[in-house]
Amino acid sequence: DQQVKQNSPSLSVQEGRISILNCDYTNSMFDYFLWYKKYPAEGPTFLISISSIKDKNEDGRFTVFLNKSAKHLSLHIVPSQPGDSAVYFCAASDTSGTYKYIFGTGTRLKVLA
Amino acid sequence: GAGVSQSPSNKVTEKGKDVELRCDPISGHTALYWYRQRLGQGLEFLIYFQGNSAPDKSGLPSDRFSAERTGESVSTLTIQRTQQEDSAVYLCASSPSGPRKETQYFGPGTRLLVL
Repeated sequence: DQQVKQNSPSLSVQEGRISILNCDYTNSMFDYFLWYKKYPAEGPTFLISISSIKDKNEDGRFTVFLNKSAKHLSLHIVPSQPGDSAVYFCAASDTSGTYKYIFGTGTRLKVLA
Repeated sequence: GAGVSQSPSNKVTEKGKDVELRCDPISGHTALYWYRQRLGQGLEFLIYFQGNSAPDKSGLPSDRFSAERTGESVSTLTIQRTQQEDSAVYLCASSPSGPRKETQYFGPGTRLLVL
């Protein structure tokens, strides 16, 4: 039973355009969400997070939106750059598990120059 | 500074053999995590160590899996009598103590292939 779902395994976007990566979850107890970025042969690196008390968090070119009623979050990258090409994982945690994250299956983003 | 390191980077073994995977966390990090990523799947939590507390082993998939950590340093994940289904990338992460949930620093992983 996949509690965190990333239904798009891959996405291609032209350089300079917006990349939108989506993530859906089923557990209404999740209250903290993170996005990680992973390059080949490297471990994931933290990108941005959002708490359920917010619906938006922005950090430079990266913005995460949270829609609690729809149990949906998205990561926007504007403008997209070739160096953003990587696999992006969303992860979720609830208040009872401050260290246990449930990860999605990842979306491979390719930014075309 | 040095990040989380893992060894070996790749391991090929025959079904039924035991394997040992090593993780060197960032110095001073009290928390250490092991995850597994099978092909086409997300990261699956295996085990969590926090300081001298009893580890949370709730994610270990079977009794063939075990892990140890010496104090706040190196950890080893052991898989006994490996099966083909154990083939995956095994990722280790560490984090400093504190309430910030995002401060997990991952190693590059060990890619395990069981023939």
